[in-house]
Amino acid sequence: GAVVSQHPSRVICKSGTSVKIECRSLDFQATTMFWYRQFPKKSLMLMATSNEGSKATYEQGVEKDKFLINHASLTLSTLTVTSAHPEDSSFYICSARVDEGQGAAFFGQGTRLTVV
Amino acid sequence: DAKTTQPTSMDCAEGRAANLPCNHSTISGNEYVYWYRQIHSQGPQYIIHGLKNNETNEMASLIITEDRKSSTLILPHATLRDTAVYYCIVRPSYDKVIFGPGTSLSVIP
Repeated sequence: GAVVSQHPSRVICKSGTSVKIECRSLDFQATTMFWYRQFPKKSLMLMATSNEGSKATYEQGVEKDKFLINHASLTLSTLTVTSAHPEDSSFYICSARVDEGQGAAFFGQGTRLTVV
Repeated sequence: DAKTTQPTSMDCAEGRAANLPCNHSTISGNEYVYWYRQIHSQGPQYIIHGLKNNETNEMASLIITEDRKSSTLILPHATLRDTAVYYCIVRPSYDKVIFGPGTSLSVIP
């Protein structure tokens, strides 16, 4: 299957700082990418849909100023957690949907964020 | 509003076929059935998808009923590495990917 690379896989940051997570589709173009958050023993929760060249669409209850998304090219989307606090600690996962074909989406390895 | 219903958990003996059911009785004509799995602390892995015909790849087979109201993912010879949460997702190809709780499959030695 297609490969989605997410970086970093693990990050620890201090409260008040910002953290950027990158999501790249390595061998296909993705006009649309998705960002998820996952709490322990829970399913993935969609945070936002990222569209290349336009503003991201955020799910209800997700603060767009807190979670900044930039989708600057057909292979790269970034999520920046601004002014991070301990409650932002979580597993963040990105996904890229193949532009051509039947809409299969492929997922990154996830980023474990710990805010101390 | 959940589009799919899956059992919460299932067990399967190693080496046997694992049959994971999914009900999607309100599926629309333009909606595909996608299957993913997530092994602990990793991102979800794409398995297979289909519209109305049965599909098979190197990982699994997908059997979709004729009325498309349910489907079954078949792992022909389950191994311990197949222990994971399996997600059945129904959506149009252009839509966002929403996850339900999935089925936690435990492959037992």
